[in-house]
Amino acid sequence: EVHVLESGGGLIQPGGSLRLSCAASGFTFSSYAMSWVRQAPGKGLEWVSSISGSGGGTYYADSVKGRFTISRDNSKNTLYLQMNSLRAEDTALYYCAKDFQVAVSGRFDPWGQGTLVTVSS
Amino acid sequence: DIQMTQSPSSLSASVGDRVTITCRASQSIRSYLNWYQQKPGKAPKLLIYAASSLQSGVPSGFSGGGSGTDFTLTISSLQPEDFATYYCQQSYSFPYTFGQGTKLEIK
Repeated sequence: EVHVLESGGGLIQPGGSLRLSCAASGFTFSSYAMSWVRQAPGKGLEWVSSISGSGGGTYYADSVKGRFTISRDNSKNTLYLQMNSLRAEDTALYYCAKDFQVAVSGRFDPWGQGTLVTVSS
Repeated sequence: DIQMTQSPSSLSASVGDRVTITCRASQSIRSYLNWYQQKPGKAPKLLIYAASSLQSGVPSGFSGGGSGTDFTLTISSLQPEDFATYYCQQSYSFPYTFGQGTKLEIK
């Protein structure tokens, strides 16, 4: 069964850094692009970043560009999101999602259960 | 950025009803439109991709239509488990953008 599981969230002060991880299982990880999508409390969905299966292509929302870095370790079947210079508006549940092909397509399935990031002093 | 606008934002309906949710893009996105269902406390689930293709495992009561800028998600006969929030999303160009959501509630 295809499964993705996020970890690494927590309470962090404004300006701080955090690294999220997403462990994948049940599929050939390197053959699929992966993405991060976030949801602020009580709000809608916001795409954050995507990465191709090889890791050679990365894409970011303007709201996180220059502060967040997406990466993957295909030998460990793990996706990462390095989050620097965190702001209060980054507070959200961060979901990891699998794409349906090796290149980024924007079709997200399945999604993990999410990891909560709270940016507050 | 491409703006996605859903209507209505909320909808009350009864079990057995046929309901349609609409999604409009601010520019043509051809058929690069996906629909997701999200239940409280759960992750979103892909229902429809490429505007009208049913994701594997999704009940046939769900259907999608449209192309260009105007799209629909139709549930032919509401089941108790269908009460949730639905989001459209364009995958035509970066940044990928979602509609604001339509909350489907029990009447």
